[in-house]
Amino acid sequence: AQSVTQLDSQVPVFEEAPVELRCNYSSSVSVYLFWYVQYPNQGLQLLLKYLSGSTLVKSINGFEAEFNKSQTSFHLRKPSVHISDTAEYFCAVSEGMYSGGGADGLTFGKGTHLIIQP
Amino acid sequence: DTEVTQTPKHLVMGMTNKKSLKCEQHMGHRAMYWYKQKAKKPPELMFVYSYEKLSINESVPSRFSPECPNSSLLNLHLHALQPEDSALYLCASSQVIGYEQYFGPGTRLTVT
Repeated sequence: AQSVTQLDSQVPVFEEAPVELRCNYSSSVSVYLFWYVQYPNQGLQLLLKYLSGSTLVKSINGFEAEFNKSQTSFHLRKPSVHISDTAEYFCAVSEGMYSGGGADGLTFGKGTHLIIQP
Repeated sequence: DTEVTQTPKHLVMGMTNKKSLKCEQHMGHRAMYWYKQKAKKPPELMFVYSYEKLSINESVPSRFSPECPNSSLLNLHLHALQPEDSALYLCASSQVIGYEQYFGPGTRLTVT
């Protein structure tokens, strides 16, 4: 079974500063990795995904994440944050086609609350 | 279009009521999911449908009953709920199990 660890429950950052949200995973097989963002009173929005290929993936709003197999990490970064980035960020893992065909949703980390300070 | 719709947005029900939550997607996805999310917690998987067949999560109480009428629709029937069942209920879909999931906005359920 897979697991996800987000060590930081809350990350305060000043506006226009860089930020890194950490995510580590554990799995005995190859995995698919995702970052989701949740704004207050809303559902989850897919921010980034790694399925295969290039280990560096980027979103349209300036976020990027790098898959590091040796360190089993998928950290999320943004070089300059904006007040509108304030939200809860969830890292998630799926064993996808390696799950054996059984019931398999996403396994989420506990989430990191990104707080942007003016 | 990557939209998953859910109705209603809010629902208040008593412990003796019967109600249903509805979810719809038109992306041709063959996997659909129900999650429960409590405040300040990650979503917890409740049920998975793959090609309209249910994969049961055994930890879900029988007062929650899922239904998949067709490949685009997913219902969650609620009966005799408890106050601790109050939460945000999220529906999601993916092309097949394991691929990225697209979430609906959720139904905020309050059990009184």
